[in-house]
Amino acid sequence: SQQGEEDPQALSIQEGENATMNCSYKTSINNLQWYRQNSGRGLVHLILIRSNEREKHSGRLRVTLDTSKKSSSLLITASRAADTASYFCATGTGNQFYFGTGTSLTVIP
Amino acid sequence: ETGVTQTPRHLVMGMTNKKSLKCEQHLGHNAMYWYKQSAKKPLELMFVYSLEERVENNSVPSRFSPECPNSSHLFLHLHTLQPEDSALYLCASSQAWGAEGKETQYFGPGTRLLVL
Repeated sequence: SQQGEEDPQALSIQEGENATMNCSYKTSINNLQWYRQNSGRGLVHLILIRSNEREKHSGRLRVTLDTSKKSSSLLITASRAADTASYFCATGTGNQFYFGTGTSLTVIP
Repeated sequence: ETGVTQTPRHLVMGMTNKKSLKCEQHLGHNAMYWYKQSAKKPLELMFVYSLEERVENNSVPSRFSPECPNSSHLFLHLHTLQPEDSALYLCASSQAWGAEGKETQYFGPGTRLLVL
């Protein structure tokens, strides 16, 4: 399976701290995306990183991609209570697009 | 989220019932998707429609029947479901299908389905 696997499955931090979650995948990819899902809602796209990129930033988000290790990380800096959600990586190659099981992040006010 | 709407938001049905889930996208996209989200499992892609033609059908039981009458609407017809089909069903759309995973998918809020 090419599905990404996020690590850790659950993460609890204090507001203001940084949150880091990781995604590993098994086969070569062309693109990797990160999505956020608030409880019981649809997923919202956060950021896309291409296979030839190593790092991207968007506001408080920083994504890295290491194709040699087949892994990506999502860093959320200065976390807020509103960041509480599940975060998913999605890997794409050809016409296929796979989501992982997600990391559940809880930011404690 | 207002770009992709789903109705109903919640649905309880018996195993002998027939019901339909509706999805509508207001984004002018050409591809639409049905996903199943169960607890502790990866999001499962069920069906993909591109330009109103089904292009993916990932071994989904025949008790799930999709319909795409036009590029803005997608239905999932349900009949004789099993309790294990209880899940959150998500609809999504994107500008195009495929494109090596660089297309952003826009999701609806989902339909929470409970099969008794």
